[in-house]
Amino acid sequence: GAGVSQTPSNKVTEKGKYVELRCDPISGHTALYWYRQSLGQGPEFLIYFQGTGAADDSGLPNDRFFAVRPEGSVSTLKIQRTERGDSAVYLCASSLGRGERYEQYFGPGTRLTVT
Amino acid sequence: GNSVTQMEGPVTLSEEAFLTINCTYTATGYPSLFWYVQYPGEGLQLLLKATKADDKGSNKGFEATYRKETTSFHLEKGSVQVSDSAVYFCALTYGGSQGNLIFGKGTKLSVKP
Repeated sequence: GAGVSQTPSNKVTEKGKYVELRCDPISGHTALYWYRQSLGQGPEFLIYFQGTGAADDSGLPNDRFFAVRPEGSVSTLKIQRTERGDSAVYLCASSLGRGERYEQYFGPGTRLTVT
Repeated sequence: GNSVTQMEGPVTLSEEAFLTINCTYTATGYPSLFWYVQYPGEGLQLLLKATKADDKGSNKGFEATYRKETTSFHLEKGSVQVSDSAVYFCALTYGGSQGNLIFGKGTKLSVKP
């Protein structure tokens, strides 16, 4: 069956530009997470969706970052006025529910490079 | 705060060697503990987990025991294979995180034939 997919796999953008990163979760998974993995670090939580709503956005670093999931399936992470420090791999994960009982399935990630 | 510390890599072993990757944690309450693996070119996959003290998680010949007294969750495998070459991440969730994973920095393992 299809796993979590993310597009694009690589994105290079100039400082100050706007980018959108897409996540297509496993069908039927209501929970969706975004994480960011900087070079040499483990993934760090950004935002969690339950259905269409952002139930927990406590990990977003600042107001340049925003994410949506309008129909409760595909999610888009949006970054405005990109900075070089935003360069990282952005990971998406989905699961049947929230909590340690539910395994999170990760996508391959989008590698964002801000020049 | 809540955090995970794992041994730095890279770790290079010969095939059939014994593997230990150390992981310790700091957390409020009673966290659940995980090991994730990332094979080259693939996404993170759950390898094993343990949700309470003294539980042992196991999968694909890997084991880890949740030790509350030492706040540790070390990953072990008795005989590694070349196909085990990957990056291994220790992680936790706790009541306050409600499922948000907190990861260590990862340990890269290379197994030579």
